[in-house]
Amino acid sequence: GNSVTQMEGPVTLSEEAFLTINCTYTATGYPSLFWYVQYPGEGLQLLLKATKADDKGSNKGFEATYRKETTSFHLEKGSVQVSDSAVYFCALSDRGGQFYFGTGTSLTVIP
Amino acid sequence: GAVVSQHPSWVICKSGTSVKIECRSLDFQATTMFWYRQFPKQSLMLMATSNEGSKATYEQGVEKDKFLINHASLTLSTLTVTSAHPEDSSFYICSARGGLHTGELFFGEGSRLTVL
Repeated sequence: GNSVTQMEGPVTLSEEAFLTINCTYTATGYPSLFWYVQYPGEGLQLLLKATKADDKGSNKGFEATYRKETTSFHLEKGSVQVSDSAVYFCALSDRGGQFYFGTGTSLTVIP
Repeated sequence: GAVVSQHPSWVICKSGTSVKIECRSLDFQATTMFWYRQFPKQSLMLMATSNEGSKATYEQGVEKDKFLINHASLTLSTLTVTSAHPEDSSFYICSARGGLHTGELFFGEGSRLTVL
């Protein structure tokens, strides 16, 4: 079946540090891949997405590349800010439109 | 992107009462809406999927008589927590898909329910 596994948190980084949150997936066919971000007390917001192999999604300095050979979609940012503190969810959507979410990774950035 | 709005954003109620949470797609027609429950520091738990004009499909372990879901129009779905108890206290989030955005999910802001 389809599933998403992402790095467990919590992750604590100093401001301007490099961020990587690992995400791997299991899916039949060719899913679309997403990263969602949830700020404290809010719903989820789409951060970036990629719909086919080798696509790179990017937004607000975050990037993730759809790697079919390693079934991965790792989230990266070169220099995090305090305002990036949030919970990040990796997700996939199968061809039927069903979504599968990872367990979420909490990121705290300290000044 | 598309906008999904939930209301109320937080609600406090007495044990035994019922609470209704609304989820609206503001600028697109949502053919499918999803309701999630999120416990503190945990992931999203899908409760049910609702398609406009038909009965909701509940996930295993979710009481359909407890959590009534109605998707009467293409822009509105409601979740009613009936005879709420303190263990129903949680953060409830809806998401919607449809219109030109069939490949994405758009989430509401979430509703914090506290049952006293």
